Amino acid sequence: GAGVSQSPRYKVAKRGQDVALRCDPISGHVSLFWYQQALGQGPEFLTYFQNEAQLDKSGLPSDRFFAERPEGSVSTLKIQRTQQEDSAVYLCASGYTGVGEKLFFGSGTQLSVL
Amino acid sequence: AQTVTQSQPEMSVQEAETVTLSCTYDTSENNYYLFWYKQPPSRQMILVIRQEAYKQQNATENRFSVNFQKAAKSFSLKISDSQLGDTAMYFCAFMKRGSGGGADGLTFGKGTHLIIQP
Repeated sequence: GAGVSQSPRYKVAKRGQDVALRCDPISGHVSLFWYQQALGQGPEFLTYFQNEAQLDKSGLPSDRFFAERPEGSVSTLKIQRTQQEDSAVYLCASGYTGVGEKLFFGSGTQLSVL
Repeated sequence: AQTVTQSQPEMSVQEAETVTLSCTYDTSENNYYLFWYKQPPSRQMILVIRQEAYKQQNATENRFSVNFQKAAKSFSLKISDSQLGDTAMYFCAFMKRGSGGGADGLTFGKGTHLIIQP
């Protein structure tokens, strides 16, 4: 595709529900990042993939958060038993190389947990 | 760990004026990149300009230029001839050179909301 695509654009969940957020990176991009952006804040790192390997998941806030990229392209961020503090914009970014020097961002998924 | 500080939560200028956004950072690294990203209401982060720390010359991209002061750990963005379309959140970001990605990847500041008034 022409850019990084994320879906859904908006997601409303009731507290306790599970959600899955999808990221379709630019074709051929090796690196893929997930960021969480709370209201009025800058993005914060969640996790990083190089191809299908999840090399760093140190930013995931709890074990309710899980990410995968099984075939080295599309990635899914799953949040189990959502809580109000999970409400944020979740941004995905991809890059040509594993170094992540130039990242291309999607438009994010805005998650609201009621 | 690196930190990035943007001390101006919001700025407002008239169209066609010049505006400067401030950014300071703290790191013990010597080789790194600095970035300014623009985030319009569409939420997509758009790269505005990139500076490599080992280069003394300040980066420029059309109306956008930076003032990089390595010793002072300062990295300000100047927008000349501002346009209505420049209205957006602007984020300063840091990345260690040769980073393997992950948590050593981009570290963002909290952003500055820039409003261009007609």
